[in-house]
Amino acid sequence: AQKITQTQPGMFVQEKEAVTLDCTYDTSDPSYGLFWYKQPSSGEMIFLIYQGSYDQQNATEGRYSLNFQKARKSANLVISASQLGDSAMYFCAMRDNQAGTALIFGKGTTLSVSS
Amino acid sequence: NAGVTQTPKFQVLKTGQSMTLQCAQDMNHEYMSWYRQDPGMGLRLIHYSVGAGITDQGEVPNGYNVSRSTTEDFPLRLLSAAPSQTSVYFCASSSGQLGAEAFFGQGTRLTVV
Repeated sequence: AQKITQTQPGMFVQEKEAVTLDCTYDTSDPSYGLFWYKQPSSGEMIFLIYQGSYDQQNATEGRYSLNFQKARKSANLVISASQLGDSAMYFCAMRDNQAGTALIFGKGTTLSVSS
Repeated sequence: NAGVTQTPKFQVLKTGQSMTLQCAQDMNHEYMSWYRQDPGMGLRLIHYSVGAGITDQGEVPNGYNVSRSTTEDFPLRLLSAAPSQTSVYFCASSSGQLGAEAFFGQGTRLTVV
């Protein structure tokens, strides 16, 4: 069965520093996709970045990058140069062909950025 | 751009009452799903649909019913509300391709007293 594990309930970082949010996953399907979403205190779900299991390079989107280590089944989100507006809940999610097309989510990590 | 629209945004129910959470999308997405979000639990899948007329259960389906009569709409029904169903509910849609992002509604905060 699919599973997403986020082991850091909370992370604290200062402005302008980089931070890594951990995510490990489990699936027996060789074809899958990994997603990160941000949920600010206002509650909406914001898509950040995507990595496919067959992608040769790590995904990047502006200040977000995904450290994808397939053999270790990890897909950590790296946020460079943190900003106060990055304070939010971050969810790692996965979709594979076994579970149809619904995303399966981890429990999330709360990131707090201080000045 | 409406995207995914959920109604209502807030709702208070008494135990045993029934209600329907509405979800509509205007992106012609085949795939839609319902999640509930509880503190410390992340988003858990309730039901999902891969197209009109086709639905399936997710991780926590008990106490909820769904139907998908049109591509646009995917309502979630609570037949007899229980306090354990107090939660924030999200509807999402996607094109269904492996790498397609899911678009989320704004959420419905439901309290059952």
